[in-house]
Amino acid sequence: EVQLVESGGGLVQPGGSLRLSCATSGITFRSYWMSWVRQAPGKGLEWVANINQDGSEKNYVDSVKGRFTVSRDNAKNSLYLQMNRLRADDTAVYYCARPVGEPFWGQGTLVTVSA
Amino acid sequence: SYELTQPPSVSVSPGQTATITCSGDALPNQYAYWYQQKPGQAPVLVIYKDTERPSGIPERFSGSSSGTTVTLTISGVRAEDEADYYCQSPDNTNTSVTFGGGTKLTVL
Repeated sequence: EVQLVESGGGLVQPGGSLRLSCATSGITFRSYWMSWVRQAPGKGLEWVANINQDGSEKNYVDSVKGRFTVSRDNAKNSLYLQMNRLRADDTAVYYCARPVGEPFWGQGTLVTVSA
Repeated sequence: SYELTQPPSVSVSPGQTATITCSGDALPNQYAYWYQQKPGQAPVLVIYKDTERPSGIPERFSGSSSGTTVTLTISGVRAEDEADYYCQSPDNTNTSVTFGGGTKLTVL
């Protein structure tokens, strides 16, 4: 059974940092590009970042460039998102996903940026 | 940046057919994916690679593609199909993924 479990969300003040994790099982994690996707309250889905199989290629949506860093540990079958200099408009549910091919998604973790 | 365009809303009566379109310049070259999302829940994949239906998704859900437009068709709509539907596709460089703005399906 494919499982992607996000963790690390929570309440953080503007300007603060959080590190999200995504633990996977039931997939050949090292074979896939992986993405983070987010959804702000009452809004649509937004792709945030992706990373290739060995971590040598990374891409980001413009709004998070220079603040967020995606990484992975293939030995631990895990994906990460380091989020720095957080802003109120980063408030969202963050999903770990492989959104292409035969897609699979986690259930998401809520990040709230508020004073 | 790459954009996918969906109608904001579609309304149908139970038993009728709902069609939701999604337009984007990369769609002739890239597969499209469709997600159903109900309030408070994670998105659920209903169509992948333009026309493929994941296991467990009812046969009334189907996808098609023509040029720069892909279409999600729900035949014999049921009340439980009321949800937001999002299309998604990679851009032509395969460096990012784009989502449409979402279509709210209302079952009258």
